Amino acid sequence: TQLLEQSPQFLSIQEGENLTVYCNSSSVFSSLQWYRQEPGEGPVLLVTVVTGGEVKKLKRLTFQFGDARKDSSLHITAAQPGDTGLYLCAGRTGAGSYQLTFGKGTKLSVIP
Amino acid sequence: GAGVSQSPSNKVTEKGKDVELRCDPISGHTALYWYRQSLGQGLEFLIYFQGNSAPDKSGLPSDRFSAERTGGSVSTLTIQRTQQEDSAVYLCASSFNSDGGGYTFGSGTRLTVV
Repeated sequence: TQLLEQSPQFLSIQEGENLTVYCNSSSVFSSLQWYRQEPGEGPVLLVTVVTGGEVKKLKRLTFQFGDARKDSSLHITAAQPGDTGLYLCAGRTGAGSYQLTFGKGTKLSVIP
Repeated sequence: GAGVSQSPSNKVTEKGKDVELRCDPISGHTALYWYRQSLGQGLEFLIYFQGNSAPDKSGLPSDRFSAERTGGSVSTLTIQRTQQEDSAVYLCASSFNSDGGGYTFGSGTRLTVV
């Protein structure tokens, strides 16, 4: 059973389009993180959200944590080829819990 | 160092051979993690080290897998009698502590067992 379900699994869009990817679970998380991974590299942390309903913006990226802290979304405005990569969400199930549980990721391709 | 360093970056080995994968975490980071990333799968937790505490080995898939961390710094993941299903990217990450911060990952070791 996958604790964190990410959708869609694959997404291919044209440069300039907007997109949203989702991370869902039946479990409550004390915090949730988003990472981006490029081929041949390790994941790189983009953001951490800890409060239900929290919204964080990072340039063209907007991250939202669900009110019940069971789900999250990542919205990208005016996608660029540099946004191409594997987007991973990861959550901690308890305060002080050290172990991150990762979803399988959304593979995004932005076509010039 | 400036980042988490892993070596080798690629390793091809014959089935049945032993392999050692090395991770050099960021200086000062007390927590160190090993994950495995297989094609089409998410990151699978393997083992966690925190300071001088006993490691959490609950994610190791079999007794062929072991890991150690010497002097609270460098870690080595050893896979004995490798099998084809061990082929994957092995990622190491470190963090300043373990209370909620993000991980800094290395670039991984791509292991291919032939």
